[in-house]
Amino acid sequence: DTAVSQTPKYLVTQMGNDKSIKCEQNLGHDTMYWYKQDSKKFLKIMFSYNNKELIINETVPNRFSPKSPDKAHLNLHINSLELGDSAVYFCASSQELRTGTTGELFFGEGSRLTVL
Amino acid sequence: GQNIDQPTEMTATEGAIVQINCTYQTSGFNGLFWYQQHAGEAPTFLSYNVLDGLEEKGRFSSFLSRSKGYSYLLLKELQMKDSASYLCAFLSYNTDKLIFGTGTRLQVFP
Repeated sequence: DTAVSQTPKYLVTQMGNDKSIKCEQNLGHDTMYWYKQDSKKFLKIMFSYNNKELIINETVPNRFSPKSPDKAHLNLHINSLELGDSAVYFCASSQELRTGTTGELFFGEGSRLTVL
Repeated sequence: GQNIDQPTEMTATEGAIVQINCTYQTSGFNGLFWYQQHAGEAPTFLSYNVLDGLEEKGRFSSFLSRSKGYSYLLLKELQMKDSASYLCAFLSYNTDKLIFGTGTRLQVFP
């Protein structure tokens, strides 16, 4: 009974293609995130949604478009894939962290994207 | 600006104690987290400090000094399964933005 699940786990595609990664959480959390982890293992936030509303949008190319149909789902669509997009993309969820609670991030297993 | 720094790699022996340091700079701070990430897996939560001092949780302890912008993760009685990356992250004030360091890759040898 996975708390944060994302699909697909592995994605290999050609440059220029469009692809999507889906994420679902069954923890009842209000906030969901997309993080990118590059080959140097640096984990960097891309987007955050709170109750379907975009609250964090880091400097990410507009080829990346998140969509949150409801607070349990956050999908990531990537247009015109480039070689530099190859990375592991982690979905995560939490209660609102800003309230300073001991809330933590729960990560999905990651989606390894390889662009050829 | 915001910055977070931790050593890239460390090695230690089974049964030993290791301390992983983390320094950070931010204009607004709302807590510090440590996560563990085994190769090919998702990060998992280890600890959270918002006040100065030491938080102990079994073999793992985490320390925070807000005035110094400094934290450390202390791992005691090291086991082979503790070989992993340890990610330090601070919570930017009044946001849900968790800023991660590059992680410290710890290798435990027999």
